[in-house]
This record gives sequence, C-alpha cells and structure tokens, in this order.
Amino acid sequence: GENVEQHPSTLSVQEGDSAVIKCTYSDSASNYFPWYKQELGKGPQLIIDIRSNVGEKKDQRIAVTLNKTAKHFSLHITETQPEDSAVYFCAPHYGGSQGNLIFGKGTKLSVKP
Amino acid sequence: EAGVAQSPRYKIIEKRQSVAFWCNPISGHATLYWYQQILGQGPKLLIQFQNNGVVDDSQLPKDRFSAERLKGVDSTLKIQPAKLEDSAVYLCASSFRTANTEAFFGQGTRLTVV
Repeated sequence: GENVEQHPSTLSVQEGDSAVIKCTYSDSASNYFPWYKQELGKGPQLIIDIRSNVGEKKDQRIAVTLNKTAKHFSLHITETQPEDSAVYFCAPHYGGSQGNLIFGKGTKLSVKP
Repeated sequence: EAGVAQSPRYKIIEKRQSVAFWCNPISGHATLYWYQQILGQGPKLLIQFQNNGVVDDSQLPKDRFSAERLKGVDSTLKIQPAKLEDSAVYLCASSFRTANTEAFFGQGTRLTVV
C-alpha cells in the first residue's frame, strides 16, 4: 500500500518567519496532493492542493511545490501568524479513480508571537 | 452550504458495550468516508462508500465494526463490542466524487472506551 511520511513532526517558529513541511509518498500513480489543517477539536480542512500536471501553486501566504520524480511535495507558509498554529497533514491520493486519501502522521506547527 | 454533520460529539462507554455514530454528508456528495483518528496520529480510512455501495473497507475490523449508507445519503458506523483501543475520534467526510477532489470533514465524534 501507499507509504506516506511527513517531516518534521513538530515545528516551532517566530511570528513572521516561514515554515516548510515536507511529505514523501511511494505510489508513483498518485496525481492529487492536498494539504489539510486541523485545529483543536475540529475536523481537517483543506488549505491547498496541487495536481500532478503543475509544479507549484500559491494562495496568498501558502504555497505547495511538487516534485513527482522524487515523489515528494512540500507546504510553504510565509509570514506566519499565531492563527497558523495547528496540525498540518499531507494526504496524497492513492488508488486511481476509486481511490482515497492516505494521511501522513501530521506536523504540529506552533507560531510564537 | 451546510457542512458534514456528525453526532454525537462525545461518547463514553464501557468496554464490550456497543456504540453507533451518525453522519449526514453535504448534499449531492456521492462519496462518503469514515476515518478513525487516534490521538497524535493522522486519520486512517475505515470505509469508503460511493452512493450506497462500498468501495473500500479493507481496513475496517469487520469482526466488530460495521457501517451502512442506506439510500446513498446518511451513514451510520457501529462498534460492537468496543475495546479500549477503539478510543479515538471518528471522522466522517464527503466529497463530490472519489478522485482528485476535496474531502470535507465533519467535527468528529470523540469516543472514550473505559
């Protein structure tokens, strides 16, 4: 089955700094790569996603980069704010047209004011 | 647009008891998922429905867990009998289709087995 690894498991940054989280996957057929944010007591929420035909996508302070050859994709958050503090999960799609998302173990991001 | 609704929010039961969780997905979403999230881990898929048919239940412990999605809308997940290791948050999610599309999650049901 799909093997998903996410690093680091915890990340602490000062407000205004940048944060980068990396996700590696094993299924070369994966072609959809989302990042989810989970706040305490809530379900995960999609913050950005990328498909295999593009290498980078930006949405204001958040960006995702994809390297299909190396089978990894990364989440970049610039100008971090305290409200960015949460657990972030990568969840590459696995299994083709009837497949589903396989979640990484998560990265706990703490942004210190 | 209303989100994915789940109930109850919290449940405490003793081991060997049974429990059921309910999920109402976003209107028009054909695909429904149940995930188990143990504290400190990422969500793990238990079962995936496409309309009222099962697409993937390979990780569902079928000796104690069961799920149904009658009429292709609401779904229930049942555990009978519960074990201590079933303590987790049970998340329901739905998506418009299965592939390459956003999954919308409910707030989850936190189950504690004592």
